Amino acid sequence: DVKVTQSSRYLVKRTGEKVFLECVQDMDHENMFWYRQDPGLGLRLIYFSYDVKMKEKGDIPEGYSVSREKKERFSLILESASTNQTSMYLCASSLWGTTDYNEQFFGPGTRLTVL
Amino acid sequence: GDSVTQMEGPVTLSEEAFLTINCTYTATGYPSLFWYVQYPGEGLQLLLKATKADDKGSNKGFEATYRKETTSFHLEKGSVQVSDSAVYFCALSPFGSARQLTFGSGTQLTVLP
Repeated sequence: DVKVTQSSRYLVKRTGEKVFLECVQDMDHENMFWYRQDPGLGLRLIYFSYDVKMKEKGDIPEGYSVSREKKERFSLILESASTNQTSMYLCASSLWGTTDYNEQFFGPGTRLTVL
Repeated sequence: GDSVTQMEGPVTLSEEAFLTINCTYTATGYPSLFWYVQYPGEGLQLLLKATKADDKGSNKGFEATYRKETTSFHLEKGSVQVSDSAVYFCALSPFGSARQLTFGSGTQLTVLP
């Protein structure tokens, strides 16, 4: 069974703290993604990675960075958390593809609250 | 840029009612289109997809037809069940891109017994 796991389901942090969200997939997928989900806005892509040590900015990268040192692990970092980063964060992974779409598999999400 | 517009929610139906959730898109070329579903407390799962015009995606009694002339991909089910209560997301992937998805805002469906 394919699996994407995220390190925490719920997280509460204080403004200014450095926050690490971890995502691990066991499907040997090349692509990994970080989204945030907010009511009325759907999912918005923060960053994605198509290979180890490779990353590309998504639609809303400001205030975030990422790290991919191993193929199975993709970390999202909030260098200095702010209250407007309170959100649900979803990780996903997919096979690398060329002309055909490859399904994205999602983790259960981390609900982050920044006080 | 590419965008997806979904009908506003929430939607509340009685069991066995007919469901339609509207989805329209703006994109260049020939994107692939998808419906994802998010059950309470879970991540998103792919429900169905269509990769070219006039394709019909179907799964678990849900259907959606890729209509290029109206740039639409409406989700339908003939008889909903309580277990269909979830948030439904329409999404597109640009042609030739195996990477990025653009999502709509999501539609919350509640089915009452």
